[in-house]
Amino acid sequence: KQEVTQIPAALSVPEGENLVLNCSFTDSAIYNLQWFRQDPGKGLTSLLLIQSSQREQTSGRLNASLDKSSGRSTLYIAASQPGDSATYLCAPGWGQTGANNLFFGTGTRLTVIP
Amino acid sequence: EAQVTQNPRYLITVTGKKLTVTCSQNMNHEYMSWYRQDPGLGLRQIYYSMNVEVTDKGDVPEGYKVSRKEKRNFPLILESPSPNQTSLYFCASSLFPPRTSTDTQYFGPGTRLTVL
Repeated sequence: KQEVTQIPAALSVPEGENLVLNCSFTDSAIYNLQWFRQDPGKGLTSLLLIQSSQREQTSGRLNASLDKSSGRSTLYIAASQPGDSATYLCAPGWGQTGANNLFFGTGTRLTVIP
Repeated sequence: EAQVTQNPRYLITVTGKKLTVTCSQNMNHEYMSWYRQDPGLGLRQIYYSMNVEVTDKGDVPEGYKVSRKEKRNFPLILESPSPNQTSLYFCASSLFPPRTSTDTQYFGPGTRLTVL
């Protein structure tokens, strides 16, 4: 079974700082990996999707990297803003015998202080 | 507007009273799934569906049923709810399953269920 760990569980930074969120997974035979954002009381919003053949993806101030062989992904947020405050979830797409599903970490709760 | 809708958004019920949480998507997606989210455990998949009439168990299917009679709808059924099914439930859809897709998963707004 795929196990996903996200470190740190919570992070507070002052506005303007660059930061890195970490995700590790136990089975490196993934098809892709997604990073999501979850705001309190709301659903999940997809931020970035990296295919297993890719090393990184960028969207605006966000950059996600993937090292499939070591079972790690990072989400880099540049010039953080208070609006970035949310819980960030990483989810590798993985499956055995045809099951094709996302496995989620418990997330990193980010607070950006004005 | 492309979206996944869930109803109800909030529900308080009692043990043993059958309930259904509806999920509908307007994007003609083939793949749909249900998750529950609990503190400290993250999101765990309950059931998923690769297409109409094709459903399968996820990580935590016990106590739940689903059906996929139409492409757009994927209701979650609790035949006899128990307090341990108190949770936040999310429905999600994507064009193809995560294995093959370059498309992202779209999530509904969530249904907060309390079983007394």
